[in-house]
Amino acid sequence: AQSVTQLDSQVPVFEEAPVELRCNYSSSVSVYLFWYVQYPNQGLQLLLKYLSGSTLVKGINGFEAEFNKSQTSFHLRKPSVHISDTAEYFCAVSGASGGYQKVTFGTGTKLQVIP
Amino acid sequence: ETGVTQTPRHLVMGMTNKKSLKCEQHLGHNAMYWYKQSAKKPLELMFVYSLEERVENNSVPSRFSPECPNSSHLFLHLHTLQPEDSALYLCASSLDTNSKLFFGEGSRLTVL
Repeated sequence: AQSVTQLDSQVPVFEEAPVELRCNYSSSVSVYLFWYVQYPNQGLQLLLKYLSGSTLVKGINGFEAEFNKSQTSFHLRKPSVHISDTAEYFCAVSGASGGYQKVTFGTGTKLQVIP
Repeated sequence: ETGVTQTPRHLVMGMTNKKSLKCEQHLGHNAMYWYKQSAKKPLELMFVYSLEERVENNSVPSRFSPECPNSSHLFLHLHTLQPEDSALYLCASSLDTNSKLFFGEGSRLTVL
């Protein structure tokens, strides 16, 4: 079984300030980790993913995330946010099961960028 | 624009109505999915189709009935729904069931 915990349901941050959105996971097998973004009135869009290799993963729009196996975390960071980053962010985990990918999503974190 | 189109974007229905949600992709993907997104809950995987065959059904009530007539189209037929079924229903597709998901913009369903 696998699960994802996003500790913060809402994160307000001023424009041009740094931000970190936290994600912790649990799984009994090796995992793939993802961050998705959902802009208002839109579907989910893949921001970045960790499959293997370097633990620091860079994604679109200046976001990056670091896989920490010992802390079972995959926190998302951006050094300077813009108004356009206002959206809901979902952390997700998957493992191989029965030959296909089963993705478990967290409850989401709403990032509110304040001008 | 992800290449996955869902219609209608908004739907209001009574508990005795029958309606359908439609999802279409022209990405050449072979796997399609229905997810339910409710407020303050994780996304719930409802159904997975691979090569038009249902490979996952996550204990979804029978009032939700999926249909995948071909690899480009996926429907979710709705019948005798309850108010707690009100949610955003997201369709997704992927090249195969081990590839990344492409999501549609969702159909916002309200059951009165």
